[in-house]
Amino acid sequence: GEEVAQTPKHLVRGEGQKAKLYCAPIKGHSYVFWYQQVLKNEFKFLISFQNENVFDETGMPKERFSAKCLPNSPCSLEIQATKLEDSAVYFCASSQSRLQFFGPGTRLTVL
Amino acid sequence: ILNVEQSPQSLHVQEGDSTNFTCSFPSSNFYALHWYRWETAKSPEALFVMTLNGDEKKKGRISATLNTKEGYSYLYIKGSQPEDSATYLCAFLYNQGGKLIFGQGTELSVKP
Repeated sequence: GEEVAQTPKHLVRGEGQKAKLYCAPIKGHSYVFWYQQVLKNEFKFLISFQNENVFDETGMPKERFSAKCLPNSPCSLEIQATKLEDSAVYFCASSQSRLQFFGPGTRLTVL
Repeated sequence: ILNVEQSPQSLHVQEGDSTNFTCSFPSSNFYALHWYRWETAKSPEALFVMTLNGDEKKKGRISATLNTKEGYSYLYIKGSQPEDSATYLCAFLYNQGGKLIFGQGTELSVKP
């Protein structure tokens, strides 16, 4: 597609439940990024992929967060046993070179 | 630690005013600087990607300049309109395929 698509738009989970977010990058883009926006305007990098390989995972909280980008499937970001502080908007972006194109985000609310 | 700073944090102007914001970033290991326009609940919209020292880019009433030697970029909006109200984010990139390091943004509010 011509735009980065993210689903769902909103997700509500009770503390301790699992949350799974999906991202379809722009066709032909080989890099995919996940960012977490918790505080107003603060975009924090989580993880990036080059095709299906992890490129940089320095931002990922290792214990409960995992992510995948498998061929012919949307990329996914999964949070096991969600905590209140995981409440945020999760943005996915894709890129072919310098410019990163962003999706509309998934708002995760943990109650 | 790579730090990207934006100023001011917020700006309130009248319709028709011209305005500018600043983004400062590390002057070493520079690859590119992005400017995004972002409204809450929407995708950040790319305005410019700047790569060369002295670069100047323009899109309608919005323009940007880049100084990689001293580590700053300016975004200018000429004749602000209410529809320009948004948060303007700059983001630093130090290698291809690398993560963006964002500033805190400048929130612009344009009153009719």
